[in-house]
Amino acid sequence: GEDVEQSLFLSVREGDSSVINCTYTDSSSTYLYWYKQEPGAGLQLLTYIFSNMDMKQDQRLTVLLNKKDKHLSLRIADTQTGDSAIYFCAERSGGYQKVTFGTGTKLQVIP
Amino acid sequence: DAGVIQSPRHEVTEMGQEVTLRCKPISGHDYLFWYRQTMMRGLELLIYFNNNVPIDDSGMPEDRFSAKMPNASFSTLKIQPSEPRDSAVYFCASSTQYEQYFGPGTRLTVT
Repeated sequence: GEDVEQSLFLSVREGDSSVINCTYTDSSSTYLYWYKQEPGAGLQLLTYIFSNMDMKQDQRLTVLLNKKDKHLSLRIADTQTGDSAIYFCAERSGGYQKVTFGTGTKLQVIP
Repeated sequence: DAGVIQSPRHEVTEMGQEVTLRCKPISGHDYLFWYRQTMMRGLELLIYFNNNVPIDDSGMPEDRFSAKMPNASFSTLKIQPSEPRDSAVYFCASSTQYEQYFGPGTRLTVT
């Protein structure tokens, strides 16, 4: 079945760039997502990319997709303390609405 | 739009009691999802609906769990009887073709 893997923890200093990585197994994945979850809150959709793209930029966020290696990354430029949260990678195959989520990466931003 | 609305936000109940969680999706979204999040198992998809019809309930853990969507603006997830191992945060989400939006969740504690 589908599997999405992420490292559990990342610590960066305020002002540095953060890179959160994710690998997935489903070669038919069509949409790949990044969600942010702050304590006590639901998952917030940050951005997503179609599998026919290799990069998407949205303000401080850059998503890179390497479809050959089934590798997705989220880069946060100029990381702020407000970026501290858990970040989930997720994938979905086209024509099917079920989204498979990774285990989440906890980002800690050190002032 | 107010986003996905869930109630109650917190529920504490005793083992054996019936629990009903409620969700109002974003207007115009055709899909509705129920998830459960725990530290041990992460985010699990329980069931999802398309146009009020259940499509995939393979994630529903046991017969004690049931979900309904009587109309496009309301869904319930019921647990009867509840058990301590049902303690978790339950999220409702609704989606367009590409984007899935989560509610704030209901934190359920079964004692």
